[in-house]
Amino acid sequence: AQSVTQPDARVTVSEGASLQLRCKYSYSGTPYLFWYVQYPRQGLQLLLKYYSGDPVVQGVNGFEAEFSKSNSSFHLRKASVHWSDSAVYFCVLSYANSGTYQRFGTGTKLQVVP
Amino acid sequence: GPKVLQIPSHQIIDMGQMVTLNCDPVSNHLYFYWYKQILGQQMEFLVNFYNGKVMEKSKLFKDQFSVERPDGSYFTLKIQPTALEDSAVYFCASSLWGESAETLYFGSGTRLTVL
Repeated sequence: AQSVTQPDARVTVSEGASLQLRCKYSYSGTPYLFWYVQYPRQGLQLLLKYYSGDPVVQGVNGFEAEFSKSNSSFHLRKASVHWSDSAVYFCVLSYANSGTYQRFGTGTKLQVVP
Repeated sequence: GPKVLQIPSHQIIDMGQMVTLNCDPVSNHLYFYWYKQILGQQMEFLVNFYNGKVMEKSKLFKDQFSVERPDGSYFTLKIQPTALEDSAVYFCASSLWGESAETLYFGSGTRLTVL
C-alpha cells in the first residue's frame, strides 16, 4: 500500500544550525513528492516538489530536498535555520492510479530555538 | 500567489446541529478537496470533487458528510448532524487539473468546535 512515513514528530534545532527532516515513502510506481509547510493558524504552503530529473530539488527560503529511489526517501534539508522556520512540515506522496491520490505523512513539528 | 479562502475561520455549534463550511477555491481550478486536521498535526483526507461529483472519499467521510459546489459558487462541506468527534480544523484545497504533479493550494482552515 502507498504510504509516507515521517519518523520524527518533533525536531528542535538551534538557530543557525543545519536541518534535516526525514521522509520515507512506499510506492512501486513513479512517485511525485512534495514538501509543504504549515505556519501557525495557516494552511499548507508548497516548499518544493519532485517528479523527475535532478534528484536534488531547490525550494523556497533556502530549503532543498533529495530524492533517493534506492532508499525510497525524500529528505528535506536546510543549511542554516532561522527562528521563522518554526512550523509543521509535511511530506506528501502523490500518484496516479485511475485517479490522482495524495498520501500525507504525519508531519514534523520544527522548533527553532535561540 | 493563488488564494483559497475559507469562511468562517471558526465555528462553534452544539452537537446534533448542522454546519456548513465554505470554501472559495482558486478561480480557474477544477479539483477540490477537503482535509481534516486533528491534534494540530495529522492531516486526514476526506474527499475530492470534480465536475460536480465526488471522485474519491475516505472512511472519515461519514454518511453525515456531503459536499457540493452549486453553480460555481462556494465549494461546501456540510455535516448533518454533527458529533463531538467532528471537532477539528477543516482545510479546503484546490488544484487546476487534479494531476499527480500539481501543487495543492490550501485555505487557512475552519476550526470547528462541537459542544
